[in-house]
This record gives sequence, structure tokens and C-alpha cells, in this order.
Amino acid sequence: NAGVTQTPKFQVLKTGQSMTLQCAQDMNHEYMSWYRQDPGMGLRLIHYSVGAGITDQGEVPNGYNVSRSTTEDFPLRLLSAAPSQTSVYFCASRRTGVETQYFGPGTRLLVL
Amino acid sequence: TQLLEQSPQFLSIQEGENLTVYCNSSSVFSSLQWYRQEPGEGPVLLVTVVTGGEVKKLKRLTFQFGDARKDSSLHITAAQPGDTGLYLCAVNQGGKLIFGQGTELSVKP
Repeated sequence: NAGVTQTPKFQVLKTGQSMTLQCAQDMNHEYMSWYRQDPGMGLRLIHYSVGAGITDQGEVPNGYNVSRSTTEDFPLRLLSAAPSQTSVYFCASRRTGVETQYFGPGTRLLVL
Repeated sequence: TQLLEQSPQFLSIQEGENLTVYCNSSSVFSSLQWYRQEPGEGPVLLVTVVTGGEVKKLKRLTFQFGDARKDSSLHITAAQPGDTGLYLCAVNQGGKLIFGQGTELSVKP
């Protein structure tokens, strides 16, 4: 198993550009989520999904969109990037009813 | 306000020293998790504590869940440079995993 994979590893955007951060898992986990990590802030939940076709907002959803068309994939879209979205983004997955959550290696995003 | 308050935020110690980090809240939780994150990687689960007063040991790491299930501590005995990293506590809130802000630990040889 590859576990949770994320692409790209690094990305530089200009203000106003759009992009999609990719996340995939091969463990057949129902639950997937996106976090952003900023210095001194821990990890903050952006959006999450309890299964294909179902998504919901986390603590900091503004400026981000998600969709879950398959169990395996959970892309995160930035429609118009802002400097405040400069961060490290982590995708995670777990099986419903199980506490252990598995994280991807992260995507480092810089918005100029 | 943060649901989970971790302290200290930063800790720099010498190899061989002992340390304790804390995770506090005014809310009661059914369980609490501790993760460790190394630079450039995602967090990795260390332990889940479930019962009030529970103590779990993982080699030189001792985790305790408060009697009232509002707080937790992580104690490291004889710290080593390999213990360096960000330690995060987290709780499940309505199916969402919510994290504290973390304790950044640096162990110098």
C-alpha cells in the first residue's frame, strides 16, 4: 500500500491564480480530510468527507472547495489564491469508527 | 479560543533530560490522541487514551489521561535527539479530529 499520497510537494502561485491539490489513498478508507498547518497554530481542519459524494466544512473552509467523487480521491481546490493561504497542507484518511488517522507527506504552498 | 491548549509551545533540552508536555481543555472527551510530527512529514499517531486516569507507556514515553478526561500529559524519560519533533494532541469532535497547537521539542546531543 502507498498509504496517503499528495501532489505536488511544492507549489508557488501568484495572487488570484487557481490550483488543485491532489490527495489519494489506497486503503479503502471512508473518511478523508484536509488540514492546513501554520506556525504556532497546529493543524486546522479545512474540509472533510465521510464517504463518496459527501463533504462538509471544518474550522477554516473559506477560500477552499472540495469534492469526493470516488472513495480514493479527495482534491482540494483554491479558486483564487491569496497570500493568507500560504501554508503546508496535509491530507488524511481513516476508516469510519477507527480512531487512527493516516496523514500524507504534505504540500507546501507559497502564494505571492 | 482553542479547544485544546498545549504547553509549553517550545522546549529545548539536552540529551538525557526528562520532560513533560501538557494538553488541557475545559471540555470532557471520550478519548484523546497524541501524534508526533517530524520535519517535512505528516503527523504519526503515537497513542490513544480512552479511560480517565489511564496511563500508557511507549518505551520512554508515558501518556496519562486526566481523571476527569479534560486533560492529558506526555512525559519523556531520558530524552534523545531522535525525540525531536512537534508533539500534537487531538480529540474527536463530532467525527472531526481537532488538534492543539503543538509543542515543538528540540533535544540537543
